[in-house]
Amino acid sequence: DQQVKQNSPSLSVQEGRISILNCDYTNSMFDYFLWYKKYPAEGPTFLISISSIKDKNEDGRFTVFLNKSAKHLSLHIVPSQPGDSAVYFCAASAGGYQKVTFGTGTKLQVIP
Amino acid sequence: NAGVTQTPKFQVLKTGQSMTLQCAQDMNHEYMSWYRQDPGMGLRLIHYSVGAGITDQGEVPNGYNVSRSTTEDFPLRLLSAAPSQTSVYFCASSLRPRTYSNQPQHFGDGTRLSIL
Repeated sequence: DQQVKQNSPSLSVQEGRISILNCDYTNSMFDYFLWYKKYPAEGPTFLISISSIKDKNEDGRFTVFLNKSAKHLSLHIVPSQPGDSAVYFCAASAGGYQKVTFGTGTKLQVIP
Repeated sequence: NAGVTQTPKFQVLKTGQSMTLQCAQDMNHEYMSWYRQDPGMGLRLIHYSVGAGITDQGEVPNGYNVSRSTTEDFPLRLLSAAPSQTSVYFCASSLRPRTYSNQPQHFGDGTRLSIL
């Protein structure tokens, strides 16, 4: 039972354009969501997060949107840069509990 | 600042062998976790610890054992290796989460394990 789903295994975007990565979840108890970025042969690194009491969080070129009614969140990268090419994981947790559930990842390729 | 250090980076085992994957962090983090990453499966939680002396099972704990005798170290033991345990293993650590919040995890660079 995949509680956090990233239905797009891959995404290609031109440099300078917007990248939108999507994530759906099924567990209504999830109240904190994170995005991690992973380069080959390295561990994931934290990118941005959002609490369920908010619907948007921005950090530079990265914005995460949360739609609780649809159980959907998205990560927007504007403008996309070649260095953004990586695998992006969506993750969720419930009640301040550190047990985190990860999605399967979306591989983003930014084409120069 | 080393962060989270995992050793070894690569290991090949024969079926039935046992081994320990080492994980150490120098950030005084209370929480530590072990994940495995398999193609198409994302990161799956094996075991985690909320502090020294306290461990609990994650999503896929069978065949693995952990202990947390110090804040810094969280070794993962494979009791009798099986081909199904071929994977990339990541260790992570974080501070204690807060209400309506969480603490981002810091990951090591992984151990790539092959079981023949």
